[in-house]
Amino acid sequence: SAVISQKPSRDICQRGTSLTIQCQVDSQVTMMFWYRQQPGQSLTLIATANQGSEATYESGFVIDKFPISRPNLTFSTLTVSNMSPEDSSIYLCSVGGQAWFSDTQYFGPGTRLTVL
Amino acid sequence: DAKTTQPNSMESNEEEPVHLPCNHSTISGTDYIHWYRQLPSQGPEYVIHGLTSNVNNRMASLAIAEDRKSSTLILHRATLRDAAVYYCILRDPEETSGSRLTFGEGTQLTVNP
Repeated sequence: SAVISQKPSRDICQRGTSLTIQCQVDSQVTMMFWYRQQPGQSLTLIATANQGSEATYESGFVIDKFPISRPNLTFSTLTVSNMSPEDSSIYLCSVGGQAWFSDTQYFGPGTRLTVL
Repeated sequence: DAKTTQPNSMESNEEEPVHLPCNHSTISGTDYIHWYRQLPSQGPEYVIHGLTSNVNNRMASLAIAEDRKSSTLILHRATLRDAAVYYCILRDPEETSGSRLTFGEGTQLTVNP
């Protein structure tokens, strides 16, 4: 299994500013994922971050808005740039095991972001 | 990605069994069936997964139809802690994107004391 922590756990930000969310894993993992969960909604994948390569973004998400870093096998950051109230969501990171097709994914507790 | 269909909500009484259905009529032969749940104010957690045969673990059982077009997650004795949103997700190891999880709307399970 993997234990994942996220910082900050919550934040209230002003529109037009940026926030960087950190994700730390207690073991080395190949694949890390960033999800967004808007209020009352299900989770939507933002991007996949593999160490040593550029993140792969899903349709509707762009690097300028959600830049991601993956400097090593235990850490990643997601930045929410030039925020607007529509960015108010819970942001979650997750990691996959080596045998990803049958192995499980583990999720962090999430970062609750409110943009005023 | 193959799509899954789940009821929006279900209710159960504490200590009774719960059967959560999932339809996946367009499932491919290589899709694994995964179940995750999300407790209030937490990230999702893995429950169980299977390919063709029924599966059991300490949390639940997964019953897969013979044609694989539907499955049922079984909680044998619901507790208040089982109140959560349950997601049925298909994952295809044949696809390069198969490592990610595509969440549907899931089923909100309410457990009554």
